[in-house]
Amino acid sequence: EVQLVESGGGLVQPGGSLRLSCAASGFTFSSSWMVWVRQGPGKGLVWVSRISTDGSATGYADSVKGRFTISRDNAKNTLYLQMNSLRVEDTAVYYCATYCQVCPSDYWGQGTLVTVSS
Amino acid sequence: IVLTQSPATLSLSPGERATLSCRASQSLSNHLIWYQQKPGLAPRLLIYDASNRATGIPARFSGSGSGTDFTLTISSLEPEDFAIYYCQQRSSWPLTFGGGTKVEYK
Repeated sequence: EVQLVESGGGLVQPGGSLRLSCAASGFTFSSSWMVWVRQGPGKGLVWVSRISTDGSATGYADSVKGRFTISRDNAKNTLYLQMNSLRVEDTAVYYCATYCQVCPSDYWGQGTLVTVSS
Repeated sequence: IVLTQSPATLSLSPGERATLSCRASQSLSNHLIWYQQKPGLAPRLLIYDASNRATGIPARFSGSGSGTDFTLTISSLEPEDFAIYYCQQRSSWPLTFGGGTKVEYK
């Protein structure tokens, strides 16, 4: 069974940091591009970041560029999102998901809530 | 690439046909995805490459269109289909989503 399990969310003050993790199982993690997508309370879906299979290529939404860093450890089947200089507007549920341009299926985690508030 | 979904809300009854629209600010070729999302759950892939049903998706869901105009059709609404539907483009980075269409009970 394919599973993506996010962890690391929580309450943090503006300017603080959090590191999200996404543990993968049930599929060949090292062969999958991965993305982070977030959803603010009552809002739509927003792509945050992407990473290639070997981690050599990454990309970020303008809203998080320079503050967030995506990485992966294929030996541990785990994806990460290091979030620094957090802002109130970063408050959201963060999902990790597999990505390919043309695929008959994709996999998503259950999401982890990040709340940035003083 | 900006994706504009319409209508924002669709009020229908079970058994009725639902037609959802997604318009792109530039051509996507066929690289358009449709997701369904229910409260508290992650999105579920319905349609990929504009018109191909994802694995395990019932035949009542169909997608059409190319270029800048795309449509998701649910031929006969089942109770479990009342949800929010998002389109997403995979033509170029950054990936973008439409604002969503909520299909609600009339």
